[in-house]
Amino acid sequence: NAGVTQTPKFQVLKTGQSMTLQCAQDMNHNSMYWYRQDPGMGLRLIYYSASEGTTDKGEVPNGYNVSRLNKREFSLRLESAAPSQTSVYFCASRVRDGFSYEQYFGPGTRLTVT
Amino acid sequence: QQQVKQSPQSLIVQKGGISIINCAYENTAFDYFPWYQQFPGKGPALLIAIRPDVSEKKEGRFTISFNKSAKQFSLHIMDSQPGDSATYFCAASSDNDMRFGAGTRLTVKP
Repeated sequence: NAGVTQTPKFQVLKTGQSMTLQCAQDMNHNSMYWYRQDPGMGLRLIYYSASEGTTDKGEVPNGYNVSRLNKREFSLRLESAAPSQTSVYFCASRVRDGFSYEQYFGPGTRLTVT
Repeated sequence: QQQVKQSPQSLIVQKGGISIINCAYENTAFDYFPWYQQFPGKGPALLIAIRPDVSEKKEGRFTISFNKSAKQFSLHIMDSQPGDSATYFCAASSDNDMRFGAGTRLTVKP
């Protein structure tokens, strides 16, 4: 049981390049999330998918697109990377268990855009 | 506008001391308040959480105090240990929305 996995761990892009961050979970969770983490700003939600086949914008969706490929996988795409997208990106999945909305996070992808 | 405000940004505590981190939220629709612990190079991991129908929850050395009328909650770490050195995030959540505080970097000195 690997939990939430993310690839790649590190990536350097040039301005204008595109890339896709991959995320997969093996916990059979319905909901999946993409966050970015910047110093002094906590984690900010980019997009989420409440269930397979649905996606919704979070706080900071501009410059990103997502695909919920199936129940396990949720990818984040940067079509034309900008230096402002330099960040650490975390994928998470969530279970609703009684009173809990516990989120499980992946190890993160550290992205640098030059 | 940040919906969850967390303080302090950083905290240094001696081993054996009490660490206290505070959070305040705006949206009364939030009904689940977790704290996450994050070590360098790792993703955040759930530490402890509370619902607003109780005022306190304790798990080992970690306690959440919750004040619904003031819309504030805090994390207390008793008998702080060097292994507790990490960044702590509070969060407030409703059904499909989870907002995080900016984080507190805790250093526990031996």
